[in-house]
Amino acid sequence: ETGVTQTPRHLVMGMTNKKSLKCEQHLGHNAMYWYKQSAKKPLELMFVYSLEERVENNSVPSRFSPECPNSSHLFLHLHTLQPEDSALYLCASSKGRGFNEKLFFGSGTQLSVL
Amino acid sequence: GQNIDQPTEMTATEGAIVQINCTYQTSGFNGLFWYQQHAGEAPTFLSYNVLDGLEEKGRFSSFLSRSKGYSYLLLKELQMKDSASYLCAVRDGSGGFKTIFGAGTRLFVKA
Repeated sequence: ETGVTQTPRHLVMGMTNKKSLKCEQHLGHNAMYWYKQSAKKPLELMFVYSLEERVENNSVPSRFSPECPNSSHLFLHLHTLQPEDSALYLCASSKGRGFNEKLFFGSGTQLSVL
Repeated sequence: GQNIDQPTEMTATEGAIVQINCTYQTSGFNGLFWYQQHAGEAPTFLSYNVLDGLEEKGRFSSFLSRSKGYSYLLLKELQMKDSASYLCAVRDGSGGFKTIFGAGTRLFVKA
């Protein structure tokens, strides 16, 4: 139990579907992140929220839409995805923005786009 | 550009010592992390180095040389459960929240 819970664990969707990924952290942290992990590639930072305000947006296509309603919850809304979007999507949290702040990850959602 | 390099795969024997290297070129530097990720699980924090030298934590040690842009993770007395991916990550100098990851090294421990 890492304190960061992601649902669903697995998701298969067609290119015309709309779905959402959910992340919840029980650690009292102030920052939450979405990362994309593709096979044999580095984790790619997608979005960062600090105190519910988006502070990083790394040139992610608009078919990915994040939402952070409060400091404990983070969503990633998906629509009209492409097969190359198939990957493991990891949510993470940290206490704050200190340089030595380690990330606490969820187990991820394995997404397959058909 | 920003780049972190580490070997793709390594194999070692139970009870042995293995060293996983990481080299980085980033715009600024505010520390280097190592994370462990078992297949199908969340990455978990192992170590953080911001000053040169060796940090020891049980069977795991991490080394940093900022002038060389180089780090390694040393695993002693290897156990089968150490079979996992090891991710090297650098906190860049932007002052924001950006941690840049390498692609990870998959370590296989054999009996």
